[in-house]
Amino acid sequence: AQSVTQLGSHVSVSEGALVLLRCNYSSSVPPYLFWYVQYPNQGLQLLLKYTTGATLVKGINGFEAEFKKSETSFHLTKPSAHMSDAAEYFCAVSEGDTGFQKLVFGTGTRLLVSP
Amino acid sequence: ETGVTQTPRHLVMGMTNKKSLKCEQHLGHNAMYWYKQSAKKPLELMFVYSLEERVENNSVPSRFSPECPNSSHLFLHLHTLQPEDSALYLCASSQDGVTGNEQFFGPGTRLTVL
Repeated sequence: AQSVTQLGSHVSVSEGALVLLRCNYSSSVPPYLFWYVQYPNQGLQLLLKYTTGATLVKGINGFEAEFKKSETSFHLTKPSAHMSDAAEYFCAVSEGDTGFQKLVFGTGTRLLVSP
Repeated sequence: ETGVTQTPRHLVMGMTNKKSLKCEQHLGHNAMYWYKQSAKKPLELMFVYSLEERVENNSVPSRFSPECPNSSHLFLHLHTLQPEDSALYLCASSQDGVTGNEQFFGPGTRLTVL
């Protein structure tokens, strides 16, 4: 069965510092991997996804993630944090090859950005 | 309207009430989902409809009853809920049959059961 582990329920950084949010997954087949962001009182918005091809994926708002099969990881990074990045971030994995995409989510990491 | 919309955004109900949550997607997708988001727990997939047929029902109590009258609309009918059902209920949609396609989420309905 698929699963996702996000290390750290809370991550605190200063504005301008590197952001690193960790995600490890387990999957019996090559996975599709996603990062979503949730701002207060809103739904989830896709940041980026990995399906096939290049393992370094660039997303919106300056975020990127690298798929490392040997480490079963898909960590999210951003070189310089901005106050507007404060939100909750969810990593998700899907094994759906055809048909609907059944996503399994991690428990989320709340990013706190201080001035 | 664009994307995925949900109404109402907030709902307070007693344990004996009957209410419904509505979701509408304006993306031309053919699959729709209900999720439950509780504090400190992962998002829980409740129901999936693909081409208007229910294809997934994750052991959800019968007090939650989904309905998908067409590919653009999804309802969640609620009756005799419990306080532990208080949560954010999220609707999502995607395009079936396309590998690796992401789900698009609505803003959610914040449900409080008294």
